Amino acid sequence: AQSVAQPEDQVNVAEGNPLTVKCTYSVSGNPYLFWYVQYPNRGLQFLLKYITGDNLVKGSYGFEAEFNKSQTSFHLKKPSALVSDSALYFCAVRDPPDKLIFGTGTRLQVFP
Amino acid sequence: DAGVIQSPRHEVTEMGQEVTLRCKPISGHDYLFWYRQTMMRGLELLIYFNNNVPIDDSGMPEDRFSAKMPNASFSTLKIQPSEPRDSAVYFCASSLEGALIYEQYFGPGTRLTVT
Repeated sequence: AQSVAQPEDQVNVAEGNPLTVKCTYSVSGNPYLFWYVQYPNRGLQFLLKYITGDNLVKGSYGFEAEFNKSQTSFHLKKPSALVSDSALYFCAVRDPPDKLIFGTGTRLQVFP
Repeated sequence: DAGVIQSPRHEVTEMGQEVTLRCKPISGHDYLFWYRQTMMRGLELLIYFNNNVPIDDSGMPEDRFSAKMPNASFSTLKIQPSEPRDSAVYFCASSLEGALIYEQYFGPGTRLTVT
């Protein structure tokens, strides 16, 4: 069965510092991996995806994610965090043919 | 486009009452998904439609839940009778077909409270 794990419930980082939100996956077949963000009282928004190709994927709002097959990871990163990046971040994996399986979410708190 | 529209945004009802949640997907999208979000269980897929046809309702918790999509621009999720454990935020999302199916556009959600 397809699954993703987000080992951290919360990540705290100072504004201007780099941030990493971790995600590991378990799939049968080739992984299709995704990151979504949820701001307070809003629905989820798509950030970026990895399907094939370059292991470093760039997405919206300056975020990027690194696919690592040997470590079965897909960590979300940003070189310099903003207070406005504070939100709930979800990693997701394709569950063929049509579904997404979401992780439990990681709350990112960026302090001024 | 206005995005995915959900109504009502908030619903407070008493146990045993019928609740109907509504969703208007983005025009031209082929897929519509209903999710439920709670602190305890996270984000759960309840049911999804492709071209107005229900494809997978294995996530619907029990017979009290039903969903319909009578046309490409409207879907409902009904709970009858409602119970306190149904309290959650319910999201509707839509997407295109093909490789873009996984880039889902979520509505703002309906926060349901059953007392």
